Amino acid sequence: DAGVIQSPRHEVTEMGQEVTLRCKPISGHNSLFWYRQTMMRGLELLIYFNNNVPIDDSGMPEDRFSAKMPNASFSTLKIQPSEPRDSAVYFCASSSTGDGGYTFGSGTRLTVV
Amino acid sequence: GESVGLHLPTLSVQEGDNSIINCAYSNSASDYFIWYKQESGKGPQFIIDIRSNMDKRQGQRVTVLLNKTVKHLSLQIAATQPGDSAVYFCAEIIQAGTALIFGKGTTLSVSS
Repeated sequence: DAGVIQSPRHEVTEMGQEVTLRCKPISGHNSLFWYRQTMMRGLELLIYFNNNVPIDDSGMPEDRFSAKMPNASFSTLKIQPSEPRDSAVYFCASSSTGDGGYTFGSGTRLTVV
Repeated sequence: GESVGLHLPTLSVQEGDNSIINCAYSNSASDYFIWYKQESGKGPQFIIDIRSNMDKRQGQRVTVLLNKTVKHLSLQIAATQPGDSAVYFCAEIIQAGTALIFGKGTTLSVSS
């Protein structure tokens, strides 16, 4: 099992550009979560999906952030336009039961300059 | 504010010692608690969990204790090894169907 796969591992972009982060959950897992990690705020839940349906997006900071899960094996988190304060590590996690047994990907380190 | 938090941001121990990492939570309705370990450059990794109807659970070299009276959670690591050096997070699920909420983390440093 390859685990949760995120791409890219690192992304450096200029302010105002669109950024798309990608996630492939573990096959068979029906819950998918996007978190953001910064030194100041720790790990924050942005949004999560059950069976490809967004359940709670209250953590999405602004309308500049959007997430989709078009099928059970793929999700994207898009930031448009990006700002320097969006710089963080973005993690995707998946779970088969929705409880604490989340498997996290290795994260995407985003730097907006 | 944060629903889940940690008492100490850093903990330094000698190899072979036992480590205790503490966590306080504020929501008495929380039903499920988990400890995660995060090594540098990696995502959080599940260590051990405990439900609110239990007060202790043991794994391999790790024990989680839950005191609901004072809303306190702790992770005990026996015979700490250098490979245990990482950031440890407690996390909770407040109610079924919601997602994990993480505390800020404690950095454990193990010296040989």
